[in-house]
Amino acid sequence: GQNIDQPTEMTATEGAIVQINCTYQTSGFNGLFWYQQHAGEAPTFLSYNVLDGLEEKGRFSSFLSRSKGYSYLLLKELQMKDSASYLCAVMDSNYQLIWGAGTKLIIKP
Amino acid sequence: GAVVSQHPSRVICKSGTSVKIECRSLDFQATTMFWYRQFPKKSLMLMATSNEGSKATYEQGVEKDKFLINHASLTLSTLTVTSAHPEDSSFYICSAPGGRDSDTQYFGPGTRLTVL
Repeated sequence: GQNIDQPTEMTATEGAIVQINCTYQTSGFNGLFWYQQHAGEAPTFLSYNVLDGLEEKGRFSSFLSRSKGYSYLLLKELQMKDSASYLCAVMDSNYQLIWGAGTKLIIKP
Repeated sequence: GAVVSQHPSRVICKSGTSVKIECRSLDFQATTMFWYRQFPKKSLMLMATSNEGSKATYEQGVEKDKFLINHASLTLSTLTVTSAHPEDSSFYICSAPGGRDSDTQYFGPGTRLTVL
């Protein structure tokens, strides 16, 4: 079956760095998405990786290894507003989105 | 874990026809479901909030007469794209809060609509 795994919850300190991992097993691969979602709000697009490697966008970076079925989202210089759920989603060969359950990130002062 | 399904997964229709997309929560009840549209830049736009037993709440700029939403039961919400046009071609995704933590959103796999 198809599966996306990411940690349920993580805690980090303001100003620090945190890495949220996502592993996947899907039938085919047409890209991996990371979204940020604050409670009660719609998800905000963070990144889309379809090729291996690291993509940096300001304080956020996303890494993909297709051979390992693995991605991570790296958040630097954490701010209190980064407290949110982070969703990993993979688009399979049928262009269907397979969603992870989300990682709740708690930032402490 | 909680699962949300969508049907159909993809649909191709002629311009001017109407298309119905179903969103089901398979092992939990959802009094509220959300409908999104995914744009080419991968961002998700919230279109509307579907409420069981009452009218849907539409986001600003979304035509409620064009995108009809019906939350027929605690496990089913439908989005009907009426008089579809090529510019309505998109990826439509639904989600529902579920489980012990209602802040957790479960997303459907999406429906790809192509209007010719």
